[in-house]
Amino acid sequence: QKEVEQDPGPLSVPEGAIVSLNCTYSNSAFQYFMWYRQYSRKGPELLMYTYSSGNKEDGRFTAQVDKSSKYISLFIRDSQPSDSATYLCAMSVNYKLSFGAGTTVTVRA
Amino acid sequence: GAGVSQSPRYKVAKRGQDVALRCDPISGHVSLFWYQQALGQGPEFLTYFQNEAQLDKSGLPSDRFFAERPEGSVSTLKIQRTQQEDSAVYLCASSSSTETSTDTQYFGPGTRLTVL
Repeated sequence: QKEVEQDPGPLSVPEGAIVSLNCTYSNSAFQYFMWYRQYSRKGPELLMYTYSSGNKEDGRFTAQVDKSSKYISLFIRDSQPSDSATYLCAMSVNYKLSFGAGTTVTVRA
Repeated sequence: GAGVSQSPRYKVAKRGQDVALRCDPISGHVSLFWYQQALGQGPEFLTYFQNEAQLDKSGLPSDRFFAERPEGSVSTLKIQRTQQEDSAVYLCASSSSTETSTDTQYFGPGTRLTVL
């Protein structure tokens, strides 16, 4: 079993809908939690970074971490076609990032 | 400003050939990482450099894989006697400090290696 589990989807939503993504993990030592966005043929780019349990909001994006359940989520409000990409959760103890498999999201205009 | 660049972007090799993949990190970035991303999967850690020192190579899948960063800037990942299971996208990332737990890793576009 992998340390980080993420449903690969794919997920297709209409423009303006809320996108809900999540990951579970097994390593309780993870301290840092991230969401990356990866467009086709590009490298991952960091969207959100959280350290502790709770919510963090940045524009249309909200990241949630529940360490007691070993569960993290990313919500995208008012989704746009430009949000169509693969979203990867990642977590770390130190410098070594452990990624989920990624969820492919398509936002239909 | 320039981000992380990688070359070549695409590489096709015959099984058994040696390949070399290059990474140019963001100027001044101390830390450099290599990851391997198989099709439909997330990136998997390969190795970590702090300046020219390779501090962690625990993710390298076999002794056919070798990475170097001799002057603390450009890095090369070399794969000897390539096998079909080596086919993947190889991603390079860099970060600005040695406080790598909290510092953002900036990724390059990757090199897509196909071994026939």
